[in-house]
Amino acid sequence: SQTIHQWPATLVQPVGSPLSLECTVEGTSNPNLYWYRQAAGRGLQLLFYSVGIGQISSEVPQNLSASRPQDRQFILSSKKLLLSDSGFYLCAWSKGAGANVLTFGAGSRLTVL
Amino acid sequence: AQTVTQSQPEMSVQEAETVTLSCTYDTSESDYYLFWYKQPPSRQMILVIRQEAYKQQNATENRFSVNFQKAAKSFSLKISDSQLGDAAMYFCAYRSAYVGGSEKLVFGKGTKLTVNP
Repeated sequence: SQTIHQWPATLVQPVGSPLSLECTVEGTSNPNLYWYRQAAGRGLQLLFYSVGIGQISSEVPQNLSASRPQDRQFILSSKKLLLSDSGFYLCAWSKGAGANVLTFGAGSRLTVL
Repeated sequence: AQTVTQSQPEMSVQEAETVTLSCTYDTSESDYYLFWYKQPPSRQMILVIRQEAYKQQNATENRFSVNFQKAAKSFSLKISDSQLGDAAMYFCAYRSAYVGGSEKLVFGKGTKLTVNP
């Protein structure tokens, strides 16, 4: 069966510090991978998605970047965090597109102080 | 671009009663998929139900069913015999069926459901 791991679960970082959130998927190959952000009182905002190694699509201009160094690994990064980067970050995967269901990780709560 | 609107930020229901959560969407496409996800206090996103736009029959999963009105672009979720464990944020989501758009899942802002004992 497929599983998705996301870490760290909780992170408190000062403004201006770097960020690295990691997500890995097991039990499948060539998944579509996604990073969403959920701000307080708001829905899920798609940040990045990837349909293959080295293929990253950015949905929202921002202070963040994503990379996919391996088939089942997706990393969300920032060189210098802003207060507005605080939120709950969710990684997800799906086998292909369309009707295929997105399966989410447990999420990472980021607080920037 | 497609948008999803959930007009009820919060809803409440008595245990064992029925509640309906509303969702409307805007799209110019004719083929797409609609989803309801549940996010309990643990924050884990869980798929509740899925509907293909080309199917006229409403999807059903145990106590959960949808009322899909394609012409009205409406996709409501009905929860029957509500249980305490149904308390969660519920998100409606849209996904295109077309290449180039089908990778993305677009979410509404969610409805917080409270179940009263």
